Amino acid sequence: GQQLNQSPQSMFIQEGEDVSMNCTSSSIFNTWLWYKQDPGEGPVLLIALYKAGELTSNGRLTAQFGITRKDSFLNISASIPSDVGIYFCAGLSYNTDKLIFGTGTRLQVFP
Amino acid sequence: EADIYQTPRYLVIGTGKKITLECSQTMGHDKMYWYQQDPGMELHLIHYSYGVNSTEKGDLSSESTVSRIRTEHFPLTLESARPSHTSQYLCASSLGGRGTEAFFGQGTRLTVV
Repeated sequence: GQQLNQSPQSMFIQEGEDVSMNCTSSSIFNTWLWYKQDPGEGPVLLIALYKAGELTSNGRLTAQFGITRKDSFLNISASIPSDVGIYFCAGLSYNTDKLIFGTGTRLQVFP
Repeated sequence: EADIYQTPRYLVIGTGKKITLECSQTMGHDKMYWYQQDPGMELHLIHYSYGVNSTEKGDLSSESTVSRIRTEHFPLTLESARPSHTSQYLCASSLGGRGTEAFFGQGTRLTVV
């Protein structure tokens, strides 16, 4: 089946630093979504991307839909302690109409 | 804020019992999903539905079954629970069609002893 690989797997950063993570696939996706999950909770949608090359911001978060439609990137600027959690990308393909999740990036922010 | 609800939040049950995990949404969404997730790990799609009377199996094989008799309701059933079913189960819904985002419930943490 389709697979989405996220990197890095884990990040340990200091408060105030910027964060970058990405998601890649061998398949083309028509929609890219980025979620954040806190322990014991369901994922919460952060950003949705619908067009190749699209760059979208949500506060300190910025995400991009890769030109090849096989990748996406998420940046967090000036990280704060509440940014701690697991960040998942998810891709939707028109061919399969299934929402597939990436492997996750675990973010730890130290004061 | 997403209006999608899962019950129970936590369930501890003995081996061999039949269980049903409930998922309801009040957004009128056509598409609904069930994902299975071990703590801190990735989400695996086990079932999805395009609408009433439509159910499909996901990428991860599961012994659970689902039904979609009403748009707002997508319950998941395990006929005979086993310790290997211990996991978190997450329900989500979306409008359907092209390019629409999915919203998640809070999940059900299932432990089979």
